Amino acid sequence: DVQLTQSPSFLSASVRDRVTISCRASHGISTYLVWYQQKPGKAPKLLIYAASTLQTGVPSRFSGSGSGTEFTLTISSLQPEDSATYYCQQFNSNPLTFGGGTKVEIK
Amino acid sequence: EVHLVQSGAEVKKPGESLRISCKGSGYSFTTYWVAWVRQMPGKGLEIMGIVYPGDSDTRYSPSFQGQVTISADKSINTAYLEWSSLKASDTAMYYCARRDLNYEYFDYWGQGTLVTLSS
Repeated sequence: DVQLTQSPSFLSASVRDRVTISCRASHGISTYLVWYQQKPGKAPKLLIYAASTLQTGVPSRFSGSGSGTEFTLTISSLQPEDSATYYCQQFNSNPLTFGGGTKVEIK
Repeated sequence: EVHLVQSGAEVKKPGESLRISCKGSGYSFTTYWVAWVRQMPGKGLEIMGIVYPGDSDTRYSPSFQGQVTISADKSINTAYLEWSSLKASDTAMYYCARRDLNYEYFDYWGQGTLVTLSS
């Protein structure tokens, strides 16, 4: 199974800060990775697919990069509505697996 | 517009049976796989299994094989997740999610169904 390790598990940042979340895969997964955003009490929402392609309607301050085993989700200018938990998911091989999540708090 | 609407919250006792539902609209329900995803309190996301409503082909993640039954009724655009005998550890939020047409990630999600076990 492909294990996904996200870091940090929690971060606190100020509005307009640049925020970076890491997702590391235990095996190479090419660019078969997506990112989801989950706000408290809500369902996950697809943000980025194929490691770096923004889903329709997602603000351009979100971006993704990486391939192989190292991936990054970046929020270029953190906004209050970005307070959420972010998950990566690989779809290179079954079983599909998620990272443990990164909770982003606004200071 | 794509929507997945799930049935409401449930409070059950251990040993009881339960079936929750997920109704799709705004797209061709028979063409897309629908997954069920568990989120235990304060925890991350786990894929339980997936069903193809077009022919009811169903796949289960190893941890959930034999623990639940996933099905779909294409005549009413609805997918189901069912337990024959609930356990206290089944307390969780359950989401249905539509799989992308070509790749195994999830582009639309239901609002979630909270299942609470209480003796």
